Amino acid sequence: ILNVEQSPQSLHVQEGDSTNFTCSFPSSNFYALHWYRWETAKSPEALFVMTLNGDEKKKGRISATLNTKEGYSYLYIKGSQPEDSATYLCAFTMDSSYKLIFGSGTRLLVRP
Amino acid sequence: DAMVIQNPRYQVTQFGKPVTLSCSQTLNHNVMYWYQQKSSQAPKLLFHYYDKDFNNEADTPDNFQSRRPNTSFCFLDIRSPGLGDAAMYLCATSATAGELFFGEGSRLTVL
Repeated sequence: ILNVEQSPQSLHVQEGDSTNFTCSFPSSNFYALHWYRWETAKSPEALFVMTLNGDEKKKGRISATLNTKEGYSYLYIKGSQPEDSATYLCAFTMDSSYKLIFGSGTRLLVRP
Repeated sequence: DAMVIQNPRYQVTQFGKPVTLSCSQTLNHNVMYWYQQKSSQAPKLLFHYYDKDFNNEADTPDNFQSRRPNTSFCFLDIRSPGLGDAAMYLCATSATAGELFFGEGSRLTVL
C-alpha cells in the first residue's frame, strides 16, 4: 500500500510567524509531488508541482523543497497571515501515472 | 470563473436511495477524477477517466459507478448509499499528468 504522510496534522500559529510542514512519500518510482491549498468552502488549488530532486519552488511567501531520494518535501510559509489559514495537501504520483495519492493534510490556523 | 463545477454542493439522501453527483468542466482536459474524502482523512481516489478509458481503483466498492458521456461531463452514481458513504466527493481534471483542477465538492449526507 502506497502511503503519503503529512505532519503535523494541525498547526495554530500567530500572525507573522513562519511555519513549515512535512510530506513523506515512497521514494521508489517517483514521478511528481504536488502541493495544494484547500480553503474552507472553496476548491483545492494547486500551489506547486515538483518533479526533480532538489527542486525548490516559490510563490510569494510560500516555498517548497523536494528530496526524492529520501522521500520528503517541505512547505514553508514566511510571515503567516490569517488568509493563509487552510488545509495544505500533498500528493504524489509514480511512473508518470495519472493517479495522485494524497496525504491527509495539515490544517493551518493563523490567529490575528 | 469556475472551470470545474460540481452539482449539487450538498446532497442529503436516505439510506439505500440512489444518488447521482455531477461534474462539468470547461477546460477540455482529458483526465477526470472522482475522489472521496471523509472527515480529516486523505482524499481517496475512486476512479479516473483518460478520455473514455475508465480506470477503477481495486478497492472502490461496486456500489459506486461512473459515467463520462463526453469530454465535459462526468457523473458519480451511488446505487445504494450507506451511512459509511457520507463524505465529501471531489471531482478534478487534468490535462496530462500535471496539476489537478478541482471543483468545490459535493457533500453527501446519508440519513
